[in-house]
Amino acid sequence: GAGVSQSPSNKVTEKGKDVELRCDPISGHTALYWYRQRLGQGLEFLIYFQGNSAPDKSGLPSDRFSAERTGESVSTLTIQRTQQEDSAVYLCASSLDISGYYEQYFGPGTRLTVT
Amino acid sequence: AQTVTQSQPEMSVQEAETVTLSCTYDTSESDYYLFWYKQPPSRQMILVIRQEAYKQQNATENRFSVNFQKAAKSFSLKISDSQLGDAAMYFCAYRSITDKLIFGTGTRLQVFP
Repeated sequence: GAGVSQSPSNKVTEKGKDVELRCDPISGHTALYWYRQRLGQGLEFLIYFQGNSAPDKSGLPSDRFSAERTGESVSTLTIQRTQQEDSAVYLCASSLDISGYYEQYFGPGTRLTVT
Repeated sequence: AQTVTQSQPEMSVQEAETVTLSCTYDTSESDYYLFWYKQPPSRQMILVIRQEAYKQQNATENRFSVNFQKAAKSFSLKISDSQLGDAAMYFCAYRSITDKLIFGTGTRLQVFP
C-alpha cells in the first residue's frame, strides 16, 4: 500500500512569508508526528496527533508554528512569518497508534529554504 | 528529560567487514523502546532494528544486531558483512511507552569497496 506522502518536496520562500507543508499519513494510522531536521543534525520533535485527543504541541519552537489534522487523515504544518533559521527538512511520520510498540513510518520530507 | 548521544559523527568500513556504531542514552524510566534508523541521501527514514527495554535478549535483523546494555544505558549497532548500500546516516532513537521519538545527532557511515 501507499506510504506516507508529503508535499511539496521542496519549498523556497522569502523571509517573512507564510508556508504550509502537507502530510498524508498511511490510511488507518491514528497517530501522526511532525519532526524538523536541520542540516547535519538529528530530528527534533515538533508535534503529534493521536486520534481525537488534544495534540502534543510541546516541541513547537515558537507561536509562528502551528499544525492541524482533519480527523485521522491529512495534516498541515504552517509556519508564519518565516525566518532563515526555519530552513530545514520537515519530516512527517505516522503509526497505528501512539503506543511505542508500533513503528513510525516516515515520509520523504519537505526541504524548506528561507531566503 | 531523556537524551540520546551518538559520539561518532563519522565512521567508515571496508565492504564485507564489520562496523559498530555507538549510542548512549539517559532516562529514569524502566520501560522504553530503542531504535536504529537509517537515512540515505533520499531523506527517507528507514527503521533498521528495534529493542524493547524489558527484553534482555539483543535484537537481530539479518546482518544488523544490537548490543543492549540496560544498566550502562548503551545501545550499539553492529553491521556485519557491510555492503555499499549500507552507506547512510544512522540515527539512534529513544521512545518511552507512549511518547515521541528522541533522536541522537547521527553517525555518517561510509562503505569503501
